Amino acid sequence: GESVGLHLPTLSVQEGDNSIINCAYSNSASDYFIWYKQESGKGPQFIIDIRSNMDKRQGQRVTVLLNKTVKHLSLQIAATQPGDSAVYFCAENTAGATNKLIFGTGTLLAVQP
Amino acid sequence: GAVVSQHPSWVICKSGTSVKIECRSLDFQATTMFWYRQFPKQSLMLMATSNEGSKATYEQGVEKDKFLINHASLTLSTLTVTSAHPEDSSFYICSASGRRLSGNTIYFGEGSWLTVV
Repeated sequence: GESVGLHLPTLSVQEGDNSIINCAYSNSASDYFIWYKQESGKGPQFIIDIRSNMDKRQGQRVTVLLNKTVKHLSLQIAATQPGDSAVYFCAENTAGATNKLIFGTGTLLAVQP
Repeated sequence: GAVVSQHPSWVICKSGTSVKIECRSLDFQATTMFWYRQFPKQSLMLMATSNEGSKATYEQGVEKDKFLINHASLTLSTLTVTSAHPEDSSFYICSASGRRLSGNTIYFGEGSWLTVV
């Protein structure tokens, strides 16, 4: 059938500012979460992951927060750079579904110089 | 370097023909591979789970007879889009998982653009 074009939510930030990208996941049984970065025309690139027994995990310039009560995930990027401009997806994995990932809708991060 | 390779990176085919896309794990054995489809400005939609040596498991709404998946070895899965139509034009991405020295991890290919004319 005919596809309807969708517009990704967009977050526009100034270079050097911190970015917060949010994601609501769907399955309360999900126990593993991953944030991916996808540049135009490329496959997803792993950023950071977190398991459900944690509520915060930090990487280099990135932090992931998990709130299982409201099924919410966030990705914080410190000192955002132009190279961070991309679409960001959260993905969830359900216990027992080995490595099967369900992706969220995505957010376009636009970094203004 | 890439640990999962897809080929071709892009392909144009005529309506009604079939197209095969390959997904290879380069330095590890992938017991499971996944195929996703992504339309412009949309998310990745899981199409099917490809298990080495057994039939693929398709997600609801994905036609198994149209999207043939073969996972004949631990390093190769193929997706064949049969009798392609313009609405099948999309970005197809595979991922592979398996045990590596760093543990069980999921790796994505660079994707394959399919345009059906």
